[in-house]
Amino acid sequence: KQEVTQIPAALSVPEGENLVLNCSFTDSAIYNLQWFRQDPGKGLTSLLLIQSSQREQTSGRLNASLDKSSGRSTLYIAASQPGDSATYLCAVSPDILTGGGNKLTFGTGTQLKVEL
Amino acid sequence: EPEVTQTPSHQVTQMGQEVILRCVPISNHLYFYWYRQILGQKVEFLVSFYNNEISEKSEIFDDQFSVERPDGSNFTLKIRSTKLEDSAMYFCASSKDRGGYEQYFGPGTRLTVT
Repeated sequence: KQEVTQIPAALSVPEGENLVLNCSFTDSAIYNLQWFRQDPGKGLTSLLLIQSSQREQTSGRLNASLDKSSGRSTLYIAASQPGDSATYLCAVSPDILTGGGNKLTFGTGTQLKVEL
Repeated sequence: EPEVTQTPSHQVTQMGQEVILRCVPISNHLYFYWYRQILGQKVEFLVSFYNNEISEKSEIFDDQFSVERPDGSNFTLKIRSTKLEDSAMYFCASSKDRGGYEQYFGPGTRLTVT
């Protein structure tokens, strides 16, 4: 059974700092990995999708890397801003070639606070 | 930009009552999902739906749950007889197809069972 873990559970940084959020998963037979942002009491906003064949994906100040064989992904946020304060979730989908469906398995999230 | 919408945003119901949560997926998407998040816990997969039938379901999705696409735009989740432990945020999602496409989530319906 796939287990997804995110470290740290919470992080507080001053504005302008670069930071790294970590995600690890126990079963490397994944099809893709998605990073989401969740604001309190709100839905999930997709930030980046990395296919299992990719090593990296970038969107603006966000960069996500994937090391499938070691079961790890990182989300790098450059020049953090107070508006980046939210919970960041990673989620993996199983490899359809091994019979997996499309369901996402989520981590517990990292709660980020960027202070002025 | 197209988005997934959900109604209502908040539903309060009494234990044992039936509830229907509604979703309008992105119009050209073919795969639809329901997830839930109990307060303070992980987001959990409930069910996926493709070509007018359930594609996959979790152990949470028992006989009390059902899904339906009653017309070309709506996708519903019905809970027949709600329990206190069904209180959660329910998220609908859609993707263009299976096979690794990005899933887009709606804003969620907060269900409170009293």
